[in-house]
Amino acid sequence: AQSVTQLDSHVSVSEGTPVLLRCNYSSSYSPSLFWYVQHPNKGLQLLLKYTSAATLVKGINGFEAEFKKSETSFHLTKPSAHMSDAAEYFCVVSDRSGYSTLTFGKGTMLLVSP
Amino acid sequence: DAMVIQNPRYQVTQFGKPVTLSCSQTLNHNVMYWYQQKSSQAPKLLFHYYDKDFNNEADTPDNFQSRRPNTSFCFLDIRSPGLGDAAMYLCATSRDRPSGNNEQFFGPGTRLTVL
Repeated sequence: AQSVTQLDSHVSVSEGTPVLLRCNYSSSYSPSLFWYVQHPNKGLQLLLKYTSAATLVKGINGFEAEFKKSETSFHLTKPSAHMSDAAEYFCVVSDRSGYSTLTFGKGTMLLVSP
Repeated sequence: DAMVIQNPRYQVTQFGKPVTLSCSQTLNHNVMYWYQQKSSQAPKLLFHYYDKDFNNEADTPDNFQSRRPNTSFCFLDIRSPGLGDAAMYLCATSRDRPSGNNEQFFGPGTRLTVL
C-alpha cells in the first residue's frame, strides 16, 4: 500500500523568497516520487521525478526536491519564487516494481504575493 | 510535438443527458488513463486501458464507461450525468503498464458542467 501526505494545504510566499512545499510518503516497495504542477483550469505538468538515481532531483523552472528515505520525505523547494509559480502542486507516489498506479496527495496551493 | 489532446476543453450538458469526452495522443503510448478531478481535490483514477485491456477502478460508478477504438483515441462516456459528476476530466498516457518507472503524460483536461 502507498500513500502521500502533503503537510500544507496552502503556502503563501512573497515574490523573490524561497519556496518549501512539504511531502511525506509511505510505500511498501521502492517508490518513485513525482511533483506535478497544475495552473488554474489546466492539466498536470510534471515538474520533476525521483526513480532511484540521485536523491537530489532538479526539475523545470528552478524547482528541486530531495528524496530522504530515513525521513520518508520528498519536499519541493525553489530558491526564489516568481509570480508565475502560483499554482496547485501535487506530490505523487508510485511503486517502482510491479503494477502500480499513481497515488496523489491532496495538493498544496502556492500563493505568491508581489 | 508529441502530445495528449482533449476535446472539447469545456463541455456543458444537461442532467441525465449522455455525454462523451474525447482524448487523443500522438505519443504512441500503450496505456491511456481517465481521471476525475473535482474542485480543490486531487485527481482520482476512474479506469485505464493497457492496449485493449480495460481496467476499471473498484469504486468507479457504472455510469462511467470508456472505449478505446485504436491506439490513438480513448473516449469517456457518462451515460446519465448527475450534478455530482461536474468536474475536470483528465486524460493521461504512459508508454507501458502503470508503475513508478512509467511517467504519465497529462492532457489539458475537459471541464464538464452539468445543468
